[in-house]
Formats: sequence, C-alpha cells, structure tokens
Amino acid sequence: GAVVSQHPSWVICKSGTSVKIECRSLDFQATTMFWYRQFPKQSLMLMATSNEGSKATYEQGVEKDKFLINHASLTLSTLTVTSAHPEDSSFYICSAPLLAGGPHEQYFGPGTRLTVT
Amino acid sequence: GQNIDQPTEMTATEGAIVQINCTYQTSGFNGLFWYQQHAGEAPTFLSYNVLDGLEEKGRFSSFLSRSKGYSYLLLKELQMKDSASYLCAVMDSNYQLIWGAGTKLIIKP
Repeated sequence: GAVVSQHPSWVICKSGTSVKIECRSLDFQATTMFWYRQFPKQSLMLMATSNEGSKATYEQGVEKDKFLINHASLTLSTLTVTSAHPEDSSFYICSAPLLAGGPHEQYFGPGTRLTVT
Repeated sequence: GQNIDQPTEMTATEGAIVQINCTYQTSGFNGLFWYQQHAGEAPTFLSYNVLDGLEEKGRFSSFLSRSKGYSYLLLKELQMKDSASYLCAVMDSNYQLIWGAGTKLIIKP
C-alpha cells in the first residue's frame, strides 16, 4: 500500500514557541492531504484540507493564523503550530488519498505527538 | 446535521466473534470505511463498502445497508492483538470523511 510519513514523531516545546510538522507521501503524489487532531480517548477531528498549490481549507473553529498549512509540492505538506500553548498538546495525524475527489481510502501518517510545556 | 453513532466500548473473549455497529446520517453517501487504530498509533484501513451487502476479508467482514443507514464490522476468531479502537467513517456527497467517535474493543483471554 501507499506510504505516508510524518516528522517528527514526537516533539516537546515550550509555550509560545512554534512547531513545524511535516507530512510526506513517499511513493505517490498527493494533491490533497488532510490534517487531523486527536485528543486522548477521542476520535479524529479534521482540522484542515491541504491543497497543493493553493490555500488550505480550514474546518470551522480552527484558527488558520495559528495553524499554518503549506502544501508546496505534490509530496509534502507542513503544519506549523504557532505560539503553541499547553492546550495545543495533542496527537496530530496527516492523511492522503491516492486520488483526490473520490471515494478512495486514505493513507495515514504515523502521527506526531506534540506536548507543550 | 451529520452524525455517526457507534458504541463507545465493547468487550469480547479471545477466540469469539464480535459485531461492532455503526449508524449514520449524512448529507449524501459515497461509501463507508472502517479503520483500526491501536493506542498511540495512526488508523489503518480495514474495509470500504459502497453497495449493500457483506464484504468479507479474512477474519474481518463489513456489512452495509444504505436504506437503514447502518453498517457493522464483524470480527471472527478474536485475537489479543485485535484490541484496538475501530473507527467508522462515512464519505459524504462532497467526498469529505465524517468520522465516528470510535469503538474501543477490549479482548479478554
């Protein structure tokens, strides 16, 4: 199956700093990638849809100025958590479908566990 | 609004069979997915149903009834490694995935 990687797998940062998380499709091109957040014992919450070459689409309630998304190439999307606070501590997961705009399964990255102290 | 319902937690015995139900109400339907997620890991794809009926894949089977807005995931010959959360997700008319809260399955020896 297709492979999606994320880096870093875990990160600890101080409150007020920024953290960048990378999501890469290793063996396919992804025009669309999705960013999710998952708090303990809860389901996935879609934060935004990342589109190659255009602006990301954010879900209601997600601050686009705080969670900066850049999809600069067909294999890389980045999520930057700016001015991080302890409440941003969560498990961040990206995913990408093999083909966009259709009922295709999504391939998930291994996730990034962010802890803000 | 859009809604996916599945039980929060289920317990079963090793070697037994368990059925995890999922009901949904969405704006449009382009298929239903089941994913498995072990604690601290990302979800992995299990099955996809878009037509009514049963799809069998080894020990796992998934059933769909579009008229009833209902699906179930059937796990046979349960193994301890099947202890995980099982997520039901429906793709709506805009090809957006709507996720259920997940069912935590606990397998006891």
